[in-house]
Amino acid sequence: AQSVTQPDIHITVSEGASLELRCNYSYGATPYLFWYVQSPGQGLQLLLKYFSGDTLVQGIKGFEAEFKRSQSSFNLRKPSVHWSDAAEYFCAVGGAQKLVFGQGTRLTINP
Amino acid sequence: DTAVSQTPKYLVTQMGNDKSIKCEQNLGHDTMYWYKQDSKKFLKIMFSYNNKELIINETVPNRFSPKSPDKAHLNLHINSLELGDSAVYFCATGQDRSYEQYFGPGTRLTVT
Repeated sequence: AQSVTQPDIHITVSEGASLELRCNYSYGATPYLFWYVQSPGQGLQLLLKYFSGDTLVQGIKGFEAEFKRSQSSFNLRKPSVHWSDAAEYFCAVGGAQKLVFGQGTRLTINP
Repeated sequence: DTAVSQTPKYLVTQMGNDKSIKCEQNLGHDTMYWYKQDSKKFLKIMFSYNNKELIINETVPNRFSPKSPDKAHLNLHINSLELGDSAVYFCATGQDRSYEQYFGPGTRLTVT
């Protein structure tokens, strides 16, 4: 069965600073990997996805993620965060007909 | 037009009651899901339906019964509500085998 670990429960960065959110997965086959964002009181919005091909994927809102098979990682990055990026971020792996989510990382932005 | 909608958005009820949450999608997707998000924000799949057929039932108590009247709707009925059922319930949809899912806005259920 697949699993996802997001090692950082809470991260605080200053507005304009760069961001990296970590995600490690465990899955026996080629993974389908996703990052979702959840703003307070809202549903989950898909940021980006990796199925195959180029290991650096671009998403919405200026986010990107890099798949590294050797490290079983799919870290999310953004070069310069905006106050509106404050939210909960979830990494997920697809397999066996379902998505399994990590515990989430709460992102706080300092002005 | 909202792609995945849920009603109600908030639901406050007492222990022992029976309640339903409705989900509708206009994306034409084959598969619909119910997830439970607990107070620690942990998101876990409960059920999935593909073309009205139950595919996944993740050891959810049988007080929870999903019903899919057609491909565009997946409702969740909960009997004999317990305090531990308090959570946010999300409906999601996806195309078969893609794993890419689109989520509704959630229903916050509070059992008192």
